[in-house]
Amino acid sequence: KAGVTQTPRYLIKTRGQQVTLSCSPISGHRSVSWYQQTPGQGLQFLFEYFSETQRNKGNFPGRFSGRQFSNSRSEMNVSTLELGDSALYLCASSRDSYEQYFGPGTRLTVT
Amino acid sequence: LAKTTQPISMDSYEGQEVNITCSHNNIATNDYITWYQQFPSQGPRFIIQGYKTKVTNEVASLFIPADRKSSTLSLPRVSLSDTAVYYCLVGVSGTYKYIFGTGTRLKVLA
Repeated sequence: KAGVTQTPRYLIKTRGQQVTLSCSPISGHRSVSWYQQTPGQGLQFLFEYFSETQRNKGNFPGRFSGRQFSNSRSEMNVSTLELGDSALYLCASSRDSYEQYFGPGTRLTVT
Repeated sequence: LAKTTQPISMDSYEGQEVNITCSHNNIATNDYITWYQQFPSQGPRFIIQGYKTKVTNEVASLFIPADRKSSTLSLPRVSLSDTAVYYCLVGVSGTYKYIFGTGTRLKVLA
């Protein structure tokens, strides 16, 4: 069974630009969650989607947004990038939001 | 809302049992605890999950005392390949919100 895939794996952007990251969940999983991981703040919850609906979000500014498509694939977007947005962005999928399986992450560097 | 803390690091020797504790205040009755293992440049890998008392699977055990203010991941007979960072995660029931612990860096020595 294929795992969670995230694209791209690495990304370098300039301050002020925007970026879109993609996540393909495990087949049959309808819940997708996004997390930001940094050395200083650790792993922080961004938002969770289920059947194309955002069910909750963490304490991040509105520059961080996401969406989920009918095939459960999800994207997250960060607009007006700041240096502090440099991080590993992880996506996790699950059938019912309990047992989450993580992808390898997208390493975003903002210069 | 639950706040979770873990010891920053631990060292152990091969073949020993390792216990890593996560402290979480204010968790509700139906909030569940999950433990993950993370290697460098990889996403966290699911280890075990539970709500209360004790859960055991083929790789670990999870102990949650009655007051639910902490949980302990127990790894029996660790090997060098268990060197990784271990995170606890509190799933806040009914809110679809998740709170990771601060992570414990486990180093297994030969």
